[in-house]
Parts: sequence; structure tokens; C-alpha cells
Amino acid sequence: DVKVTQSSRYLVKRTGEKVFLECVQDMDHENMFWYRQDPGLGLRLIYFSYDVKMKEKGDIPEGYSVSREKKERFSLILESASTNQTSMYLCASSLTTSRFYNEQFFGPGTRLTVL
Amino acid sequence: GQQLNQSPQSMFIQEGEDVSMNCTSSSIFNTWLWYKQDPGEGPVLLIALYKAGELTSNGRLTAQFGITRKDSFLNISASIPSDVGIYFCAGRLGGATNKLIFGTGTLLAVQP
Repeated sequence: DVKVTQSSRYLVKRTGEKVFLECVQDMDHENMFWYRQDPGLGLRLIYFSYDVKMKEKGDIPEGYSVSREKKERFSLILESASTNQTSMYLCASSLTTSRFYNEQFFGPGTRLTVL
Repeated sequence: GQQLNQSPQSMFIQEGEDVSMNCTSSSIFNTWLWYKQDPGEGPVLLIALYKAGELTSNGRLTAQFGITRKDSFLNISASIPSDVGIYFCAGRLGGATNKLIFGTGTLLAVQP
């Protein structure tokens, strides 16, 4: 079974703090994704990465950055957290080299609250 | 970003009833996926569809890739209380993209 894990299930931070969210997958997937999920807005793509050190902006990259130094690990960074970044953050991964490459597998999510 | 139109937004049904939900788009998709999300958890993949007209089952769940490639349907037969959750469709547009576009979700509540 594919396993995607996220470093924290719940996180509370203060405005202006630097926040790191980490995601690890154990199935050698090339692609990794960060989404945020808000009521009424569904899942919105923040950033994704298709290879080590490669990244592409998603639909809402402002206020976020990412890092992928190893294939299995994809980090989301909030340089200076703001209250409007309070949300559920979901990490996902998928294969590239397979007919099933569209299938994204999600982690359990991190619920971040910024005070 | 683009989102898929998913309906209904919510459903409140009795245990044992059948359920239908669908996603539509003005764009043509090459792949349709259906996910379920339990409260406080990440989405879990239920069914993946790769070909127009394809009908695929997973236990009591059946999904179809619309023949126009602009829609997809998910049916749940004989619902049980553990079917409660939010169901999302997701689609991949043509071309060299790994990105998915997600529907807005259908909240399903099942009364025992």
C-alpha cells in the first residue's frame, strides 16, 4: 500500500512565524503535491514537484514556498504565517511512469491554525 | 483555478438507499477519479476511470466515465452508515500534465 505521511496532524502557530509542513511518501513516486482545503472552496493546488529540486506553482502559490531535496520528501514553507493561511493542508503523491500516473494518493492532512 | 461542477452538494439518506452523484465540465478529460474523505482525514481513492464509456465497480460503488468525456457518475448501492463522508471527483485534462482538477464535493449523510 502507498503510504503518505505528514509531520503533524494539528498545528497552532502565531502570525509572522515561519512554518514548515513536511510530507513523506514511501512508494518512490516522482510527483508530489501540496493542496489546501477550505470549506466551500474544495482542494486548491499550492505547488507541485515532478522531480527532486524541481517545482511548479499551482493555483495559489502566494505566501508559500516548497522544497524537495530528496525524492520521498516534499516540504511546504509558510515564510511568515498569516491568519488567512489557517486551513487544512493535504499532501499527495503520484507516479509518472505508469498508466496509473494520474492516481494521486493523499496523506492524512495537517490542520493549521494561525492565531 | 478551474473546478468541476459536482452535484448534489449534499445528500441525507436512509440506510439501504442507493445514491447517485455526478461531475460535469465544459472541458474534455482523459481521466476521472473518485475519492472519499472521512472527517479529519485525507481523501482516499475509490475508483479510477481511463476510457470514455468505461464502467468500473469497487464493491457497492460503481463509476462511469461519460461518453462525451465531459462528465462522470458515481453510484453507491445499499448505503450503510460508514459511507458517510465527502465524495470528490477529480479529472485530468489532456496533454502532458500531472495536475488534477477537483470537484467541490458531495457531503453524504446516512441515517441508520
